[in-house]
Amino acid sequence: DIQMTQSPYSLSASVGDRVTITCRASRSISRYLNWYQQKPGKAPKLLIYAASRLQSGVPSRFTGSGSGTEFTLTISTLQPEDFATYYCQQSYSNPQVTFGPGTKVDIK
Amino acid sequence: QVTLKESGPALVKPTQTLTLTCSFSGFSLRTLGMRVSWIRQPPGKALEWLARIDWDGNKLYTTSLKTRLTISKDTSENQVVLTMTNMDPVDTATYYCARDVVVVPAAQIFDYWGQGTLVAVSS
Repeated sequence: DIQMTQSPYSLSASVGDRVTITCRASRSISRYLNWYQQKPGKAPKLLIYAASRLQSGVPSRFTGSGSGTEFTLTISTLQPEDFATYYCQQSYSNPQVTFGPGTKVDIK
Repeated sequence: QVTLKESGPALVKPTQTLTLTCSFSGFSLRTLGMRVSWIRQPPGKALEWLARIDWDGNKLYTTSLKTRLTISKDTSENQVVLTMTNMDPVDTATYYCARDVVVVPAAQIFDYWGQGTLVAVSS
């Protein structure tokens, strides 16, 4: 299986901050990388697919980049509704897809 | 409007078999390329993909749980059923079903999710 890691494990930020989360794959996954947002008690929501493509309806303050083994999710200007846990997911080894451990973004 | 909803028992005993149903609307598993996956999440932990069924009946399972899982579909009822045998307390988790599709450029995504159902395994 392809192992996914994320850093940091958690971060505290303020509304208006720029936030960057990193996801790393144990081997190259090209650009087969998705990002999800999950709020407590809710299902994950797709934000970014294919490393950098914004899912329909997702605000443009969310951007994704990277290829190979290292990827980033950036929130340009953190909004109150963005406090959540973010997961990366590789689909290179579809159907044996795997998720990262998550990065919790909370209020400073 | 695409919706999915999971149903099943909230509590099962160790060694029992869990049966979960995913009822969906807004798409059909008869449509070329359509798939439904099951994903679980233990409390406070990460997501784990479990199984997938495709429009053509193809079935796939995560390697680590393959011997315990069975996925099936009732196309006419727009339902997908997952069974997991020999349940253990470590299987306590929220179980989600999700629509699983491939979009340009050949990217697999889970684009719609059910609300999830929490299953506890305890005697």
